[in-house]
Amino acid sequence: DIQMTQSPSTLSASVGDRVTITCRASQSISSWLAWYQQKPGKAPKLLIYKASSLESGVPSRFSGSGSGTEFTLTISSLQPDDFATYYCQQYKSYSWTFGQGTKVEIK
Amino acid sequence: QVQLQESGPGLVKPSQTLSLTCTVSGGSISSGGYYWSWIRQHPGKGLEWIGYIYYSGSTHYNPSLKSRVTISVDTSKNQFSLKLSSVTAADTAVYYCAREVVNDAFDIWGQGTMVTVSS
Repeated sequence: DIQMTQSPSTLSASVGDRVTITCRASQSISSWLAWYQQKPGKAPKLLIYKASSLESGVPSRFSGSGSGTEFTLTISSLQPDDFATYYCQQYKSYSWTFGQGTKVEIK
Repeated sequence: QVQLQESGPGLVKPSQTLSLTCTVSGGSISSGGYYWSWIRQHPGKGLEWIGYIYYSGSTHYNPSLKSRVTISVDTSKNQFSLKLSSVTAADTAVYYCAREVVNDAFDIWGQGTMVTVSS
């Protein structure tokens, strides 16, 4: 299986901050990467697919970049609704695998 | 819009079979272009893909669970189901059904259902 490693595991930030989360794959996955946001007690929500494509209805402050083995999710100006846990997921090679998550907390 | 809803027992005894159903509303499971998946999340942990089924019945499972997993589809009821046999406490998790765009991401998720394995 392809291993996905996110950093940091926890991030403390303030409203208005620019936030960047990194996801690394154990082997190249081209651009077959998605980002999800999950709030406590809720299902994950798709934010980004194919590494940089914004899902319909997702605010433009979210953006994704990268290819191969290194990817980033950026929130340009953190909003109160953005405090949550974020997961990356690869779909290049079975089995689909997720990163361990990055929790974005209020500073 | 398409919605997914999981249903099934919240408590399963060790060694028994966990059975869950996902009902799809607002769209047809037979429309093609999508895999219908199961994903689980152990308490306080990350996400684990279990497997998927296409409306035609073709499946793909996570090798770590393959010997115990069966996913089936009932197009007449617009449902797909998960069976996980010989469960242990390690199978205690929130189980999600999700729609996966073929060769792409999981774009729609059910709300999830907590399943506890305990005697």
